[in-house]
Order: sequence, then C-alpha cells, then structure tokens
Amino acid sequence: AQSVTQLGSHVSVSEGALVLLRCNYSSSVPPYLFWYVQYPNQGLQLLLKYTSAATLVKGINGFEAEFKKSETSFHLTKPSAHMSDAAEYFCAVSGRRAGNMLTFGGGTRLMVKP
Amino acid sequence: DTGVSQNPRHKITKRGQNVTFRCDPISEHNRLYWYRQTLGQGPEFLTYFQNEAQLEKSRLLSDRFSAERPKGSFSTLEIQRTEQGDSAMYLCARQDGASTDTQYFGPGTRLTVL
Repeated sequence: AQSVTQLGSHVSVSEGALVLLRCNYSSSVPPYLFWYVQYPNQGLQLLLKYTSAATLVKGINGFEAEFKKSETSFHLTKPSAHMSDAAEYFCAVSGRRAGNMLTFGGGTRLMVKP
Repeated sequence: DTGVSQNPRHKITKRGQNVTFRCDPISEHNRLYWYRQTLGQGPEFLTYFQNEAQLEKSRLLSDRFSAERPKGSFSTLEIQRTEQGDSAMYLCARQDGASTDTQYFGPGTRLTVL
C-alpha cells in the first residue's frame, strides 16, 4: 500500500521568500514521486518527477525537490516565491507496479503575499 | 496543452439522473486513467485502461459507475442514478509509454448533483 502526507494544508509566504512544501510518502516498493500544480478550475500540471535517477530533481518554474530515502521525504522548494506561484500543489507516489496509478496527498495551498 | 481534452467542462444534474463524460487523449493505444477529486482533496484513482482493456478498478467505482474505451482511443465515464456524493471534479490522464512516463491530465469535468 502507498500513501502520501503533505504537512500543512495552507502555506503563506511573502513574495521573494523561500517556498518549502513538505511531502512524506509510504511505499512498500521503491517509489516514483511527483509534484503537480493545480490552478483554479484547471487540471494538474507536472512540476517535476523522481524516477530513481538523481535524487535532486529540478522542475519547471524554478522548483526543485530532493528525494531522501532515509526520511521518506520529497519536499518541494523554490528559492524565491513569485505571485504567479499561488496555487494548489499535490505530491503523488506511484509504486512501479502494473498500472502505475498515482496516490496523491491532500494538497497544499500556497499563498504568496506582496 | 497536455494533449487531453475533456467534455463537458461543467455538468449540473439532478439527483437520480444519468451523466456521461468524455475524455479524448491526443494519442491512441496507450494508458488512460480516470481520477475523482472532491473539494479540498487530492485526486483519487478510479480506473485505468491499457489500450481498450480496462485493467483495474478502484473500490471507489461503485456499480453505478461504468467506463469504456472502445478501440483504444477516447474514453467515456458514465454515472447512473447520480447521488449528491458524486459531486466532484472528474479528471482524465494519459500515459504514453514506459512506466516512468508522466501522466498528463486534462482540465477535468466538474459535476454538481443537486
């Protein structure tokens, strides 16, 4: 069984400040890990993914995430927040088994203050 | 553009009515997934197809739900005798090849059951 926990359903940062969105996972097999972003009334857009290559993964829009097996974490960071980063962010895990269906966390809403 | 279109984008129906949603991925003969997202939650897996074969269904997919993918191209999701608890965003995603490939999501169909 797989599960994802996102700590903090709401995170608020000032424009230009560091963004840190936390994700911890549970998986019985080596996981694939993903971060998606969702803007209001839209589908999900992939930010980045970890599929067992480099543990530090760089994505779009200046985001990156580090896979830490010992901590079962895959936290998302961005050095400097922009107003356009305000959205809902979802961490997801796929268990490399037939089907590859994604198990999502509950999401974190990022608010960026001017 | 994620290469996945969904129609309709919004559907309002009365309890007890049947509804059908359609998903059109840009490419054929690959994997296609359906997820459901309720307000304030992450998406939850419903079912997936490999080409035209429906290979797995979540226990969330009650007998009132049926999905098809004739000829391995577009897919439909039908809900019979809708209930207020069916109100959600229904998301479709495509995956083109290897298990490490990204799932690309459509914009979703928002269902409101009155």
